[in-house]
Amino acid sequence: GAGVSQSPSNKVTEKGKDVELRCDPISGHTALYWYRQSLGQGLEFLIYFQGNSAPDKSGLPSDRFSAERTGGSVSTLTIQRTQQEDSAVYLCASSRGPGETQYFGPGTRLLVL
Amino acid sequence: AQRVTQPEKLLSVFKGAPVELKCNYSYSGSPELFWYVQYSRQRLQLLLRHISRESIKGFTADLNKGETSFHLKKPFAQEEDSAMYYCALIQGSYNTDKLIFGTGTRLQVFP
Repeated sequence: GAGVSQSPSNKVTEKGKDVELRCDPISGHTALYWYRQSLGQGLEFLIYFQGNSAPDKSGLPSDRFSAERTGGSVSTLTIQRTQQEDSAVYLCASSRGPGETQYFGPGTRLLVL
Repeated sequence: AQRVTQPEKLLSVFKGAPVELKCNYSYSGSPELFWYVQYSRQRLQLLLRHISRESIKGFTADLNKGETSFHLKKPFAQEEDSAMYYCALIQGSYNTDKLIFGTGTRLQVFP
């Protein structure tokens, strides 16, 4: 079956603009995760959604970052007023539930000029 | 605080040589540990997790709670093993389930 998909695969934007990154999880997976992969910080957790529970937003680096998950499926990560330090690869993952194997998407490479 | 340490940024070996990628962790409780691999231009994928006690592509990893280690080993490296390897643990509780990753080790296997 299809794996986790993300769009766009690459995004170049100017400092100060808003961006939206999309994640389509594996069908039937109730848990969805966003991570960020950057040269300076490695792989960092951003946010976790599980079913209808309140998301764990503890990894979001600032209030410019937000994410939502509509209908328990597709998720959108929004970064407002982008800064150059936001440049990174944003990874989405999904799993069947807590503690289950997380399957990763190909990532969105974001470059803020 | 929960932490995963991979002390080597780069490990270079020749084909057929044994490989050991080091991973140490700090975690209050019973950890659940993983190795993820990222081949060139491919997505991050699970290699193995300690609870399954499997051997995948010839790799094994044993959880040593006394030494708080979860080193990845393979007796005879192959060129196709060249990749970035990440050790990770799950920090799970009633409201979270996040992976905490080490900084990764790049394995280069020369012919």
